[in-house]
Amino acid sequence: IAGITQAPTSQILAAGRRMTLRCTQDMRHNAMYWYRQDLGLGLRLIHYSNTAGTTGKGEVPDGYSVSRANTDDFPLTLASAVPSQTSVYFCASSRPLGIQYFGAGTRLSVL
Amino acid sequence: DQQVKQNSPSLSVQEGRISILNCDYTNSMFDYFLWYKKYPAEGPTFLISISSIKDKNEDGRFTVFLNKSAKHLSLHIVPSQPGDSAVYFCAAFAGGTSYGKLTFGQGTILTVHP
Repeated sequence: IAGITQAPTSQILAAGRRMTLRCTQDMRHNAMYWYRQDLGLGLRLIHYSNTAGTTGKGEVPDGYSVSRANTDDFPLTLASAVPSQTSVYFCASSRPLGIQYFGAGTRLSVL
Repeated sequence: DQQVKQNSPSLSVQEGRISILNCDYTNSMFDYFLWYKKYPAEGPTFLISISSIKDKNEDGRFTVFLNKSAKHLSLHIVPSQPGDSAVYFCAAFAGGTSYGKLTFGQGTILTVHP
């Protein structure tokens, strides 16, 4: 069982470019989440989805968008990347109110 | 506004001794608390949790204590092992309102010396 797969593993991106981080889960979990991890700030929720077809804003949603066309996939898009979006991004999934399982992360550098 | 705080950025202990990691929270709506462990270049992995109806939960070498009146929880690791060296995150959510959206602390880097 793969669990949560994130791609790419790492990326260097020029400011102003568009980028989509991919996340796929094979656990048939209803809920999915995107977090960013920054030193001294822990993990902060960007967007979430309680079930396919619905999404919601987390703590730091500005500059990011998500979609949830099906249960398994939850891509995160940066429409026009800025240097402050340099971070490590984690995708997670869970059953409703259940324990969240995380992917290995995408390390993104915006120059 | 940091609703979950881990005030110790790092902790160093000797192998075989007890590691105590602390976490404070401010939101009284939180009713479920978790600890995650993270190794470099990996995602966080679930370690142990506790509901607000309990004050202690134990799983092998790991025990989490919850003091609701003080809005404080702690993770005890006994005995500590070098493989426990990792970043530990405390997390919380309000089950009735936030549909499992976790609020994380800043993390504490635990180093266990052989």
